[in-house]
Formats: sequence, C-alpha cells, structure tokens
Amino acid sequence: NAGVTQTPKFQVLKTGQSMTLQCAQDMNHNSMYWYRQDPGMGLRLIYYSASEGTTDKGEVPNGYNVSRLNKREFSLRLESAAPSQTSVYFCASIAGGLNEQYFGPGTRLTVT
Amino acid sequence: QKEVEQNSGPLSVPEGAIASLNCTYSDRGSQSFFWYRQYSGKSPELIMFIYSNGDKEDGRFTAQLNKASQYVSLLIRDSQPSDSATYLCAVKENTGRRALTFGSGTRLQVQP
Repeated sequence: NAGVTQTPKFQVLKTGQSMTLQCAQDMNHNSMYWYRQDPGMGLRLIYYSASEGTTDKGEVPNGYNVSRLNKREFSLRLESAAPSQTSVYFCASIAGGLNEQYFGPGTRLTVT
Repeated sequence: QKEVEQNSGPLSVPEGAIASLNCTYSDRGSQSFFWYRQYSGKSPELIMFIYSNGDKEDGRFTAQLNKASQYVSLLIRDSQPSDSATYLCAVKENTGRRALTFGSGTRLQVQP
C-alpha cells in the first residue's frame, strides 16, 4: 500500500514549456486534490475532483488543467509554464466519511 | 475570502517545555479543524483534528477549539527537538468539496 504517489519529484522547465504532474492513490478514495505551496504561504487549492469523471476549480486554477483519468489517477497539466508557477505541488486524497487528507510527497517545480 | 491566520514564528522553546501554537479563522460556519506537521522538504502529516468546543488530547498533543472566538490552538507538552517543524492549521470548508484552507504555518524550534 503506497498511499499517494507523485511523479516527478523534481522538475525544471523553461518558460513556455508544458508538462504533466502525475498523482495516483491506491486507497480507493473518491476525492482527490491538487495544492501548491509557496514559501511563507500555506497550501492553496488549485483543482479538486470529487469522483471519477468530475473536476472543479479551486482558488488558484489559472494556468492549470486537470484530468481525473480513473479513480486512482489525477493529473495536473501546465500548458505554458510561467515563472509564477515555480512552487511545490502536493496531491492529496480523502476517503468518503473520513476527514484525513493523505498527501503525496510533492513535486518541486522550477520555471526559469 | 475565507482566511486562516497563524503567526509565522519562529517560536522557540526549550526542550521539555510546553509549546503553544495558535490559529484564528474567518468562516464562522466552519466545523472541522486540523493540525498538520510539516518537516522541511516533506509533505504535511496530520497530527490531530477537532470538531467540538473544548480540548482534545492525544499523547503529548492537545488541540483546543473555541468556536465563539473562532480560535483553535495546539499545545505540545514535553517538547522534543524532533518536534521542530512547521505546524499548519487547516479548516475544512463547509461545502461539498471538503477541501482544506490552510494557514501559512508557524515554525517551531525546540532548543536542546
């Protein structure tokens, strides 16, 4: 039982490049989330998915798209990376009826 | 805009002392409150959650909630150097998406 996994762990992009951050959970959770964490700030919600096939915007969705491919996987795509997207990205999931969000190890992204 | 406020610190306490971490929130309708610990370069891990006014104890940790004052705190008794980390206060949204709104965190330093 790996919990929540994220790939890659580190990534450096040039402005304008695109990439997809991958997240998978093996806990059969319905809800999955993408957060970003910037220095001196708490985690901010980018997108979430309440169940397979559904996604919705969080508080900072601009510049991102998501796909809930199946119950296990929730990917985050940057179509044209900008330096303002330099951050640490965390994926999380939660089971129905429970309150603990389980976090993945994070992806550290630098956009130059 | 729902807000969760924490003093960024650092809060420095000697080993064996009680560390007191505080958090205020703006959404009076919030029902669930969480404390996460985050070591440098790692993902957040849940320490405690609390729903009801009053105190909730788990080992060396005590969470305190006062909904009238919109205030939640975390006490760490017999602080250890291994408790040195950033402590994030989080409030679950009072909506169907069950996402968390995080404070920016308080950095705790426990001096040996």
